[in-house]
Amino acid sequence: DAGVTQSPTHLIKTRGQQVTLRCSPKSGHDTVSWYQQALGQGPQFIFQYYEEEERQRGNFPDRFSGHQFPNYSSELNVNALLLGDSALYLCASSLVQDGNTGELFFGEGSRLTVL
Amino acid sequence: AQKVTQAQTEISVVEKEDVTLDCVYETRDTTYYLFWYKQPPSGELVFLIRRNSFDEQNEISGRYSWNFQKSTSSFNFTITASQVVDSAVYFCALIPRTGRRALTFGSGTRLQVQP
Repeated sequence: DAGVTQSPTHLIKTRGQQVTLRCSPKSGHDTVSWYQQALGQGPQFIFQYYEEEERQRGNFPDRFSGHQFPNYSSELNVNALLLGDSALYLCASSLVQDGNTGELFFGEGSRLTVL
Repeated sequence: AQKVTQAQTEISVVEKEDVTLDCVYETRDTTYYLFWYKQPPSGELVFLIRRNSFDEQNEISGRYSWNFQKSTSSFNFTITASQVVDSAVYFCALIPRTGRRALTFGSGTRLQVQP
């Protein structure tokens, strides 16, 4: 049973560029959340997708957008990259029926470096 | 709004020593869940334990134990007889029982277990 998989694992971009990160949830899960983890910090919630719609959003600007596909996989897009966007981006999956019991299954993340 | 504080940035112990990781939280919600996650160098967040706010019974699971005290808003985690494989960053996190489905993480405690 595959867990949460993310791609790419590492990438380097320059300021102003755009990036797309991808996530496949754990088998059977229908909800995908994205978190940003800056170096030395805890993860910060970006947004959550369920039924192909953004359901919850943290304090991130509109440069951060996402998408969820019918197979529950998800993409995170970041436009006009800033140096401060350099971080580990973590995807987590869960079942909506579990509510806020919140046992999220995390992927190993995509490490983005912005130069 | 919620806040989770892990005052210990880094702890170094020698193998077989016991170690306690501290976590203090703030929330206006009357019911909520508390978590501990482990993050090894691979980056994936590994779920360790979930505790709900109306269950203050402490628990021991193998070498791990947890001390939840609602009166002091603390949820501390102890590893008994630490091992080198316990070396990782440990995060405490909180989510309200209802409402926004987003974990609020502390900044983490890096545990180094020396052989």
